[in-house]
Amino acid sequence: AQSVTQLDSQVPVFEEAPVELRCNYSSSVSVYLFWYVQYPNQGLQLLLKYLSGSTLVESINGFEAEFNKSQTSFHLRKPSVHISDTAEYFCAVTGDNNNDMRFGAGTRLTVKP
Amino acid sequence: DTAVSQTPKYLVTQMGNDKSIKCEQNLGHDTMYWYKQDSKKFLKIMFSYNNKELIINETVPNRFSPKSPDKAHLNLHINSLELGDSAVYFCASSQSRGRQEKLFFGSGTQLSVL
Repeated sequence: AQSVTQLDSQVPVFEEAPVELRCNYSSSVSVYLFWYVQYPNQGLQLLLKYLSGSTLVESINGFEAEFNKSQTSFHLRKPSVHISDTAEYFCAVTGDNNNDMRFGAGTRLTVKP
Repeated sequence: DTAVSQTPKYLVTQMGNDKSIKCEQNLGHDTMYWYKQDSKKFLKIMFSYNNKELIINETVPNRFSPKSPDKAHLNLHINSLELGDSAVYFCASSQSRGRQEKLFFGSGTQLSVL
């Protein structure tokens, strides 16, 4: 079955700095990849997803992620973060032979003024 | 209107008790799920229901039983609560069980077993 590893449990950055949240997956079949965001005391919300086509996908609030098949990665990036981006970010994957969505352990992004 | 709503938001109870968490979605989705999020934020799928049929049971103890009276509801009943059951439980739904489907999550139920 597919799985996801998020390499950083916490990422502190200053406001307006760039950020990258790392995600690697393992699967023997083709995958669909997702990033979800969880704000404090809320449920998860979809940020962006890769299904097929262009390997670079973008969200409406400035985040982007690039699917890299050779490196089995789907890192999330933003060139300039805001205080309001402080949240928990989860990478997730589904695979050909299993419709279950598997989540990584999450990365806590803290943006400091 | 909240798309996926679950109640209660907080649940504090004693070991050995039986409790239920309710979930409703008004999106017309075919598939609903229960996830458990532990203290380290790790999310693990517990169950999913598609058109009232249980299709996933991820080695969850049989003290946990999902009940779906109709397509819009998936309740979680827990018998003989244990300390290790303390966690945040999230209900979610998706249009179908397709692997490309986006999940819509409720705001979670924080269960504390004393």
